[in-house]
Amino acid sequence: DSGVTQTPKHLITATGQRVTLRCSPRSGDLSVYWYQQSLDQGLQFLIQYYNGEERAKGNILERFSAQQFPDLHSELNLSSLELGDSALYFCASSERDAYEQYFGPGTRLTVT
Amino acid sequence: GQNIDQPTEMTATEGAIVQINCTYQTSGFNGLFWYQQHAGEAPTFLSYNVLDGLEEKGRFSSFLSRSKGYSYLLLKELQMKDSASYLCAVRTGADYKLSFGAGTTVTVRA
Repeated sequence: DSGVTQTPKHLITATGQRVTLRCSPRSGDLSVYWYQQSLDQGLQFLIQYYNGEERAKGNILERFSAQQFPDLHSELNLSSLELGDSALYFCASSERDAYEQYFGPGTRLTVT
Repeated sequence: GQNIDQPTEMTATEGAIVQINCTYQTSGFNGLFWYQQHAGEAPTFLSYNVLDGLEEKGRFSSFLSRSKGYSYLLLKELQMKDSASYLCAVRTGADYKLSFGAGTTVTVRA
């Protein structure tokens, strides 16, 4: 158990819908990262927040957005969902200046 | 972007040694990581190299050559539970962003 929690574990929704994925980092970790893992793309970095502010952006679509709240939990919002958005979404956290990222168990999103 | 290459699959026998190579082309290199991922589970941290040389951690060792853009992960005394995907990841810049390779699926046979 990494100490990072993600909810929900599974999510099934239809195309065109909007969903919110939630992540709680390890106690004390200020950085939160979001990754998408699909069969054909591997693990792709989406976005990073540090202490409430966006720090780095990867291959995140405009239909996707994220935020980190004052209590440091983070949410990833996916809208106008397409079949290709079906994937495992991982959240990871790390301490400031630490090198190790701890991954949560992931949310499996299925878009039908 | 980053270009990270590693073999797709490797098979080895229980008790043997397997070496997984990773080559990368990147700017602003700031560390190389190896993660283990069992199917459907979260990646778990194995090792980190930022300077050239070998880092040993029990049955797992990782090597880095920055001038060659090359790393390997060495798994010794293979066990059935080591069957998993092994991900090479490169960190660039000061923002700790990780770019992952596609992963190497290692199958350990009895």
